[in-house]
Amino acid sequence: EVQLLESGGGLVQPGGSLRLSCAASGFTFSTYAMSWVRQAPGKGLEWVSAISGRDGGTYYTDSVKGRFTISRDNSKNTLYLQMDSLRAEDTAVYYCASHEDSSGWYADSWGQGTLVTVSS
Amino acid sequence: DIVMTQSPDSLAVSLGERATISCKSSQSVLYSSNNKNYLAWYQQKPGQPPKLLLYWASTRKSGVPDRFSGSGSGTDFTLTISSLQAEDVAVYYCQQYCCTPRTFGQGTKVEIK
Repeated sequence: EVQLLESGGGLVQPGGSLRLSCAASGFTFSTYAMSWVRQAPGKGLEWVSAISGRDGGTYYTDSVKGRFTISRDNSKNTLYLQMDSLRAEDTAVYYCASHEDSSGWYADSWGQGTLVTVSS
Repeated sequence: DIVMTQSPDSLAVSLGERATISCKSSQSVLYSSNNKNYLAWYQQKPGQPPKLLLYWASTRKSGVPDRFSGSGSGTDFTLTISSLQAEDVAVYYCQQYCCTPRTFGQGTKVEIK
């Protein structure tokens, strides 16, 4: 059974940094693409970033390019999201999601999420 | 970016009745090379993460009740709940996964009438 457990969220001041982690288990992590999706309080889902399992290629939505960095450590079965220059509008629950099907990255499993609050 | 627009924003349906949600994309999400629509549907209940219901527009994920079905191609898609159950109260999202950024619709809230 796929299990994803996010951690690293918290309260940070505008301009600050946080690193989110997503510990994965129950599947061959290195072969799966992975994503981060966020949800601002009371709002809908917003895709943030993804990383390929095969070649480590990375993808970002425009609003986080240059500020967020997605990475993975296949030896630790862990996905990361380094978030720098945080803004109030980055406040959200951040979910990690897995993509078993390499031909189409629909999110077949999700973690419970970790809350990031950017506020002074 | 591909814009995904769902309608309605919310709907109330009686138990046992049909619920229908529309999702339109600003560009086609059909790849001619494999004739697949890169469109997924998710269900999110309050306080829970989203859950995948359907992918490739109409393929039901294992374990998802068969009252959930998806249809459509190109830019117009539909999620149908054939006989609404109390446990189906949730917000439903469509998502295109053909192109970066992999955008979601704004969500449709389904309630019991």
